[in-house]
Amino acid sequence: DTEVTQTPKHLVMGMTNKKSLKCEQHMGHRAMYWYKQKAKKPPELMFVYSYEKLSINESVPSRFSPECPNSSLLNLHLHALQPEDSALYLCASSQGRQTYNSPLHFGNGTRLTVT
Amino acid sequence: QQQVKQSPQSLIVQKGGISIINCAYENTAFDYFPWYQQFPGKGPALLIAIRPDVSEKKEGRFTISFNKSAKQFSLHIMDSQPGDSATYFCAAAVMYSGGGADGLTFGKGTHLIIQP
Repeated sequence: DTEVTQTPKHLVMGMTNKKSLKCEQHMGHRAMYWYKQKAKKPPELMFVYSYEKLSINESVPSRFSPECPNSSLLNLHLHALQPEDSALYLCASSQGRQTYNSPLHFGNGTRLTVT
Repeated sequence: QQQVKQSPQSLIVQKGGISIINCAYENTAFDYFPWYQQFPGKGPALLIAIRPDVSEKKEGRFTISFNKSAKQFSLHIMDSQPGDSATYFCAAAVMYSGGGADGLTFGKGTHLIIQP
């Protein structure tokens, strides 16, 4: 089983709902990531947190709001999503920046459906 | 503009055969090349990675070959098994001078089926 835990595994929400995705790791990693993966496509980077500070935002719409409460936790707050936002949302972590000795570890994702 | 081109999109190999997946990149600044394996319903998992100063890296039945001048790298799976059936993504990233990379640029993926 993966050492990056994501909850919930599945989420169905309406376009007016507010929900949050949660991610937790206890490997002592200091970099955490959100990726979005559509069916039969590769993961696309959304956000990177390094030492609990947002370091990369890949021009993600403001209806997605990340939060890193501490070094082990990463949240993604969702509000006013569109049906095209339906996807698998993957959390990942690495010890610091990714290197050969510090690769990316992915969770199993939250399958989000927006109705 | 797709920076990492992966082929084939899908591949069927008989059990015991060799599976070969190819990737080509355009950004000569890339210097970290990992491969990820993803099973249905799971997140991607690192399979093997190579640095550009190495032409080949082998881990068990999995081998990466790297051709820096051609800007190409490939994954070979020897003695392919039904349990290897998964989607494989090549990826690339630029390492900062201080060490490490942030985001990965992924290829589009190869859906591999090993027939028993």
